[in-house]
Amino acid sequence: QVQLVQSGAEVKKPGASVKVSCKASGYTFPSYDISWVRQATGQGLEWMGWMNPDSGDTGFAQKFQGRVSMTRSTSISTAYMELSSLRSEDTAVYYCARGRTAYSGSDYAILGYWGQGTLVTVSS
Amino acid sequence: DIVMTQSPDSLAVSLGERATINCKSSQSVLYRSNSKNYLAWYQHKPGQPPKLLIYWASTRESGVPDRFSGSGSGTDFTLTISSLQAEDVAVYYCQQYYSTPRTFGQGTKVEI
Repeated sequence: QVQLVQSGAEVKKPGASVKVSCKASGYTFPSYDISWVRQATGQGLEWMGWMNPDSGDTGFAQKFQGRVSMTRSTSISTAYMELSSLRSEDTAVYYCARGRTAYSGSDYAILGYWGQGTLVTVSS
Repeated sequence: DIVMTQSPDSLAVSLGERATINCKSSQSVLYRSNSKNYLAWYQHKPGQPPKLLIYWASTRESGVPDRFSGSGSGTDFTLTISSLQAEDVAVYYCQQYYSTPRTFGQGTKVEI
């Protein structure tokens, strides 16, 4: 079965960086789009960006441009999201999510499977 | 960016009654070449990851109860829960995947 298992909670100081991992299993990792979505405390879902795990191509919401990077290690089927210059407003639960179907289908951008979420707390 | 606006922000519905959530996009998410609306609905409960309910505006995901239905086209969409159950208490989000950024609506909280 498809599983996305994320790394554990993090506490960071303002100005630091955080790197969250998302380990995939149960499917062919390079064939499916990975998106990152966050939910700040008391707020709604916010789409951050996507990555093609095969090519490494990425696309980000403008709000995060210059501060976020999305990478992968295909040998261990793991996607990473790194956010830098952290501020208190970045305190949130961060989710990775996989496309519903592979890139060969038309449903690749639909978020069909989700990781369990990683709480990142930014506090001095 | 395509802005997604949901209404209402919250609603209280009696058990067994209908719940209707609206979602409006700032530009059309209908791709004319395939006549598909690039619009999905998700259910989000506290402490859990979001769950895909509906995609292509009206296609129910496998395993989702048939009391959930989606409709609409172009810029105006609706999620309907035909007979609210206790387990449907959650926040519901629409999302467009027509273009990047793949924006979400602000969410609608459904309560009993």
